[in-house]
Amino acid sequence: DIQMTQSPASLSASLEEIVTITCQASQDIGNWLAWYQQKPGKSPQLLIHSATSLADGIPSRFSGSRSGTQYSLKISRLQVEDTGIYYCLQRYSNPWTFGGGTKLELK
Amino acid sequence: EVQLVESGGGLVQPGRSLKLSCAASGFTFSNYGMAWVRQTPTKGLEWVASISTGGGNTYYRDSVKGRFTISRDNAKNTQYLQMDSLRSEDTATYYCALRDWFPYWGQGTLVTLSS
Repeated sequence: DIQMTQSPASLSASLEEIVTITCQASQDIGNWLAWYQQKPGKSPQLLIHSATSLADGIPSRFSGSRSGTQYSLKISRLQVEDTGIYYCLQRYSNPWTFGGGTKLELK
Repeated sequence: EVQLVESGGGLVQPGRSLKLSCAASGFTFSNYGMAWVRQTPTKGLEWVASISTGGGNTYYRDSVKGRFTISRDNAKNTQYLQMDSLRSEDTATYYCALRDWFPYWGQGTLVTLSS
């Protein structure tokens, strides 16, 4: 199985700050990566797919990038509504696997 | 508006069976592959199974292969997850989702294994 190592596990940041979350894939997965946000008691919401493509309706302050097998989610100017847990997902090969999550809080 | 509504979860004893349903609306169900994803506080999110548009191709994670069966009824806009020989480690919230990038999810249904 492909392992997705997500870091950091938790993060505290201030309003308007730039935030970066990363996922390291255990092998090449190309651009078969997505990012999700999950708020307490809710289902995950797709933010980014294909490593860099913004999902419909997602604010442009969210962006995704790739460097080899390392993938990053960047929030350019943190807003109150951006708190929650963020997950990456690889769908390059079965079983599709998620990262362990990053809990983002406001400082 | 896309809606996915799961049902069928509950408290069940290990070794028993349970069948989850996911009623879809707001899109042409037969045009989309579907999937089940589960979540626990300890293991996080886990993809469980996927099914193709016509139901002819199904895929499972190893830990549920031979015990779970994903299916769909395109006439009823509904997908199912038949779960047999349930184990304590199957305790989770089960989500129905559109396959591929999981752009839409249901609200989840809780399955709890307890003797």
